Amino acid sequence: QSALTQPASVSGSPGQSITISCTGTGSDVGGDKYVSWYQEFPGKAPKLIIFEVADRPSGISNRFSGSKSANTASLTISGLQAEDEAVYYCSSFTTKKTVVFGGGTKLTVL
Amino acid sequence: QVQLVQSETEVKKPGASVKVSCRASGYRFSSYGITWVRQAPGQGLEWMGWISAYNAETNYAQNFQGRVTLTTDTSTSTAYMQLTSLKSDDTAVYYCTRSHPFIEAAGTLDFWGQGTLVTVSS
Repeated sequence: QSALTQPASVSGSPGQSITISCTGTGSDVGGDKYVSWYQEFPGKAPKLIIFEVADRPSGISNRFSGSKSANTASLTISGLQAEDEAVYYCSSFTTKKTVVFGGGTKLTVL
Repeated sequence: QVQLVQSETEVKKPGASVKVSCRASGYRFSSYGITWVRQAPGQGLEWMGWISAYNAETNYAQNFQGRVTLTTDTSTSTAYMQLTSLKSDDTAVYYCTRSHPFIEAAGTLDFWGQGTLVTVSS
């Protein structure tokens, strides 16, 4: 199963909004509701921030939102803050009943 | 609160095996599954496999078929990941994560252990 495609890096200024894309196929992103996003800080375990395409776990800021169109999922962070600087990974359940991750996107807050 | 506490760092020689443990607390262990994910140095996340603590059903990534075995001990709320025939490119941080007890819905990894570094070197 090939990895999902994410941009290697994105950047934005404090207060702005950014969107990270995650492109797969009809066998994963396009065909499943179990698309998730994870936030990872250096030396720490990843943390779930979006599940089932657009839902947020308890305690996650509503500045984080998710969506999906066809084979591409997106994570939008609004009102960008310095503390959002991290690596973001998408994942999707697949028709083979496995999970595939994206390669990760490093967000830089300018 | 939900916690997954993993075993300590391991250093192994090529060809050896490693067994990483993951002790769960703060929830009913047998009502969920455990998914294992690894991350090589400077690299992204890689899904290794899933086990249901409810019925011991497993599903493994094709890349690890035949080399990885996932088990659980519900009496101690502990999950285990054993990887055999280790190679240098198995050097990575290995994470256990909590997921759904049935494979059809096991795409969400809602809590993660702290990670266990496994170094494979001669």
